[in-house]
Amino acid sequence: ELKVEQNPLFLSMQEGKNYTIYCNYSTTSDRLYWYRQDPGKSLESLFVLLSNGAVKQEGRLMASLDTKARLSTLHITAAVHDLSATYFCAVPSGGYQKVTFGTGTKLQVIP
Amino acid sequence: DTGVSQDPRHKITKRGQNVTFRCDPISEHNRLYWYRQTLGQGPEFLTYFQNEAQLEKSRLLSDRFSAERPKGSFSTLEIQRTEQGDSAMYLCASSPRWVWSRGGTGEAFFGQGTRLTVV
Repeated sequence: ELKVEQNPLFLSMQEGKNYTIYCNYSTTSDRLYWYRQDPGKSLESLFVLLSNGAVKQEGRLMASLDTKARLSTLHITAAVHDLSATYFCAVPSGGYQKVTFGTGTKLQVIP
Repeated sequence: DTGVSQDPRHKITKRGQNVTFRCDPISEHNRLYWYRQTLGQGPEFLTYFQNEAQLEKSRLLSDRFSAERPKGSFSTLEIQRTEQGDSAMYLCASSPRWVWSRGGTGEAFFGQGTRLTVV
C-alpha cells in the first residue's frame, strides 16, 4: 500500500526566511502533485511534477521531484504571511485512478 | 464558473438520518473522485468513476455509503444511517480522460467540498 509522508507536520517561520518541506513516498511513481489548502477551504493545485528531476517554480515556491529517491521538496523562499496554509503532496497510483495524499504540512508565517 | 461544483456546502444532520451530496465535475472531465477529509488530516480516497462506471472503492466506503454517477455526468454520494464518525469534509474532484495518450497530467481539480456534521 502506498504511503506518503511529509515533514515537518507543522512549520512556524518568520517572514523573510527560507525553508523546505519534504515529501517521501513508498512506491514507484513517475509524478507527484502539490496542493495548498486554506482553513475551511478546498484544495488548490500548485504544482504538477511529471518526471524525475522536474522542477517548477511559482513566485516564492519551488517544487522538485526525485523519483529514484521517491522524494519531493517544496522550497519556500523569503516567506510572506500570505503563504500561511496547509500544503499537501499527493502521489497517483493504480493507473492514476486514485491519489494518495500526504499528511500535510501546516505552515504559519509570522510577520 | 466552470470548476467542480458541490452541493450543499454544509450539512448538519442527526445521527441515523440519511444524507446525499451532489458533485458536478468540470464538463469535459470523465474521471470523478470522492475523498473524505477529517480535521487535521489529508484527504482519503473513497471512490472513483470513469464515466458512469465505478471502478474502485476504498475499504473506507462501508455498506452505508453508496455513490452513483448516472450517465457519466454529475455524481451523488449517499450516506445512510449516519454516525458521528461520518462527520468530515467530503471532497469531489475530476480530471480529464487522456492521461497517457495526450500527455495529460492526471491532475485532479477539487470542488469546495461538503462539510457534514452529524449530531
